[in-house]
Amino acid sequence: ILNVEQSPQSLHVQEGDSTNFTCSFPSSNFYALHWYRWETAKSPEALFVMTLNGDEKKKGRISATLNTKEGYSYLYIKGSQPEDSATYLCAFDSGGSNYKLTFGKGTLLTVNP
Amino acid sequence: DTGVSQDPRHKITKRGQNVTFRCDPISEHNRLYWYRQTLGQGPEFLTYFQNEAQLEKSRLLSDRFSAERPKGSFSTLEIQRTEQGDSAMYLCASSFVDPDYGYTFGSGTRLTVV
Repeated sequence: ILNVEQSPQSLHVQEGDSTNFTCSFPSSNFYALHWYRWETAKSPEALFVMTLNGDEKKKGRISATLNTKEGYSYLYIKGSQPEDSATYLCAFDSGGSNYKLTFGKGTLLTVNP
Repeated sequence: DTGVSQDPRHKITKRGQNVTFRCDPISEHNRLYWYRQTLGQGPEFLTYFQNEAQLEKSRLLSDRFSAERPKGSFSTLEIQRTEQGDSAMYLCASSFVDPDYGYTFGSGTRLTVV
């Protein structure tokens, strides 16, 4: 059974604060690490798919880093806005013939105006 | 193409009834997945199709669950003799063979078994 852990479970920040969350995953049989943002009543939206150790990806105010040797990824949000409020999910992909993602439980971010 | 659509958005059913959900993926995507999310958990893999072939099923998928993808287009997920433990959000997603851009998810079907 693959273990994908996310912390913190939830987070409240003020508008303008920068924040970050952690995703830890198995360091063996790594193929890719996905990050999704899931706003209430909407579809989960893909943010990043990261494959290479040391990868750093950016999308607007959101960025992510990847360390496959130690099995963790960080997601950073700079200058949080109320519209960033959502659950952020990471998912581990071990590739090969195993075509499924193993998700963490998510980090629920609430940004207060 | 307006993304992945799922129908219905919500379903309330009595224990013991059968329910069927539909998913219309992005037409260019070969792969289609079903996931289930229960309260406090991340989405859990149920099953996966490449075109019309169902290539993998989770052990979570008991004999009461069946999924089809006729002609490699839309997919249906049927639950027979529903139980209260089946109450969950059922998510469908699709992707290209090489999902470098991640999966595209639908908004899900929220099932409540009473």
